[in-house]
Amino acid sequence: ILNVEQSPQSLHVQEGDSTNFTCSFPSSNFYALHWYRWETAKSPEALFVMTLNGDEKKKGRISATLNTKEGYSYLYIKGSQPEDSATYLCAARDSSYKLIFGSGTRLLVRP
Amino acid sequence: DVKVTQSSRYLVKRTGEKVFLECVQDMDHENMFWYRQDPGLGLRLIYFSYDVKMKEKGDIPEGYSVSREKKERFSLILESASTNQTSMYLCASRPGLGINGYTFGSGTRLTVV
Repeated sequence: ILNVEQSPQSLHVQEGDSTNFTCSFPSSNFYALHWYRWETAKSPEALFVMTLNGDEKKKGRISATLNTKEGYSYLYIKGSQPEDSATYLCAARDSSYKLIFGSGTRLLVRP
Repeated sequence: DVKVTQSSRYLVKRTGEKVFLECVQDMDHENMFWYRQDPGLGLRLIYFSYDVKMKEKGDIPEGYSVSREKKERFSLILESASTNQTSMYLCASRPGLGINGYTFGSGTRLTVV
């Protein structure tokens, strides 16, 4: 069973700040790494799925990188906005069907 | 707009009741999953199904069972609800092949009293 850890647990930033958070996972038997955004009272929404070492993906002001050799991924938000406030979930998948989720990073962006 | 629909947003049940949580997806996905989310613990996998009538235990299956009689519907059953099953339950689906993100339902917050 994979063990996925995220840090920090929560983060408060000012509007306009750039921020990043970390996801770490066991590098052995790695298959894919997922990032989701979960806003209050909504469904978790898929942001990125990455598989290759050195992968970088971008969606607007949000981007992510992947290092499968050392077992970590970073999520970056450039110029945070209040609407970015959400819990960001990382999940890792080995060769099975299962995704194992971290406990999330709760981001609050103050206007 | 593709969807995963969970039948109830909020449920309150009594200890010992049999509880059914329903999940329906309209994307013809092979794989479906049930997670629960508790503060500080993240999403934990209860059961998953990789095809019709197939099911496998996740990491915390005790006290739960599932049913997948049709491809679009995956039901989670609490055989005898207990207070420690008070939680947010999330259903998700994905295609069987390829590297794809999950599509989640909006969750059912279950309170067992």
